[in-house]
Amino acid sequence: AQSVTQLDSQVPVFEEAPVELRCNYSSSVSVYLFWYVQYPNQGLQLLLKYLSGSTLVKGINGFEAEFNKSQTSFHLRKPSVHISDTAEYFCAVSPYNTDKLIFGTGTRLQVFP
Amino acid sequence: NAGVMQNPRHLVRRRGQEARLRCSPVKGHSHVYWYRQLPEEGLKFMVYLQKENIIDESGMPKERFSAEFPKEGPSILRIQQVVRGDSAAYFCASSTGLTSGGHNEQFFGPGTRLTVL
Repeated sequence: AQSVTQLDSQVPVFEEAPVELRCNYSSSVSVYLFWYVQYPNQGLQLLLKYLSGSTLVKGINGFEAEFNKSQTSFHLRKPSVHISDTAEYFCAVSPYNTDKLIFGTGTRLQVFP
Repeated sequence: NAGVMQNPRHLVRRRGQEARLRCSPVKGHSHVYWYRQLPEEGLKFMVYLQKENIIDESGMPKERFSAEFPKEGPSILRIQQVVRGDSAAYFCASSTGLTSGGHNEQFFGPGTRLTVL
C-alpha cells in the first residue's frame, strides 16, 4: 500500500520570500511522484511530475521539486512567491503500472503582501 | 479546447435522495477517473473507467455507489440514498490512456460539491 504525508497543513509566507512545501511518501513498490495545485473552486492542475531521470524537476509557475529516494521525499520549492501562488498544494504518488493517484492531505499556501 | 466538464457544480440533496454527477472528459480522452475529497482531506481514488468498462473500482464504497462511462455521453457517478457523510467534493479526471514515460497524465475537472441535508 502507499501513503503520502504532507507535514504542514498551512504555510504562511510573505510575498517574494522563498517557500518549501514538504512531502514524504511510503510505498512497497516503485512510484511516480506529482505535485498538483488547486485554486479556490477549481479543479487540480498539474504543477510538475517525476517519472524518471534527473531528480530535480522543474514545473510551471517557477516551481521545482527534488526527488530523494533515500528519504522518500519530494519537497516542492519556489525561490520567490507571488500573491497569486496562494492556493492548496497536493502531493501525490502513482504506483508503476497503475493510473491510480494517491494524494496527501494538502498544504494551504497563503502569501501575504 | 474544452477541458474536463463536470455538472452540476453544486448539488444539494436531502437524506435518502439520489445524486447523479456527470463528467464529460476532454475531447478524445477515453479514460475517466473519479475521486472524492472529504472536508479537510486529500482526494481519494474511487473508480477508473474506460468506455463501457470498469477497470478499477477498488475505492468505491460497496453499497449505494455506482459509476458508468457509456459509449456515448458523459460518465455518471450515482449515489443512491445519500447520507450526510456523502457530503464532499467529487472530482473527475480524464486521460488518453496512452502511456508517456509510464504514466497516463490525468486532467481534472472543477468538481461537483455535494451537500446532503
